[in-house]
Amino acid sequence: QKEVEQNSGPLSVPEGAIASLNCTYSDRGSQSFFWYRQYSGKSPELIMFIYSNGDKEDGRFTAQLNKASQYVSLLIRDSQPSDSATYLCAVRNYNNNDMRFGAGTRLTVKP
Amino acid sequence: EAQVTQNPRYLITVTGKKLTVTCSQNMNHEYMSWYRQDPGLGLRQIYYSMNVEVTDKGDVPEGYKVSRKEKRNFPLILESPSPNQTSLYFCASSLSIKGYSPLHFGNGTRLTVT
Repeated sequence: QKEVEQNSGPLSVPEGAIASLNCTYSDRGSQSFFWYRQYSGKSPELIMFIYSNGDKEDGRFTAQLNKASQYVSLLIRDSQPSDSATYLCAVRNYNNNDMRFGAGTRLTVKP
Repeated sequence: EAQVTQNPRYLITVTGKKLTVTCSQNMNHEYMSWYRQDPGLGLRQIYYSMNVEVTDKGDVPEGYKVSRKEKRNFPLILESPSPNQTSLYFCASSLSIKGYSPLHFGNGTRLTVT
């Protein structure tokens, strides 16, 4: 079983729609959770992090965390073609000096 | 500008020829790490360093070496590269592995071993 799982996609949404990206993790001791965006051939860049159950909003992005279900998601409102990228979920358990990445979900926003 | 700098960006080499990929950060970060990224497998950790002179293996350390003699530098060494080490490599740093400080990534090194 992969430790951090994401649907590889591709996930295709029309411009202006809400894109929903999901991530599940196996380590119950995980404490902080990150979403990175990666354009093809480029390095990952941080979008958001979350560490408490519930929602965290930043502009068009909302991260949602449910530790009981070991589930974290990213919602992108008013999706734009420039949001087309691969989104990586990362999970940290600093008791293990550990940060684990999912394989990523490829998102395509169609004009 | 705060950044993680990797060099070279692209490297083509032959099997068995030793190579070093350099990584330097100017943010006074304690934690540094090397990842390789392959299609469908995501980012896999090769080695990491909690601080100067403290390094440890990640998930895929075979065939790689690292050193951390100075806080800012964390080179990745391939003593005898093989074709299965063809990959996209990223160096990353973080203020600490504790808490919520995110990883900052370098621009990547695309390595091809023939």
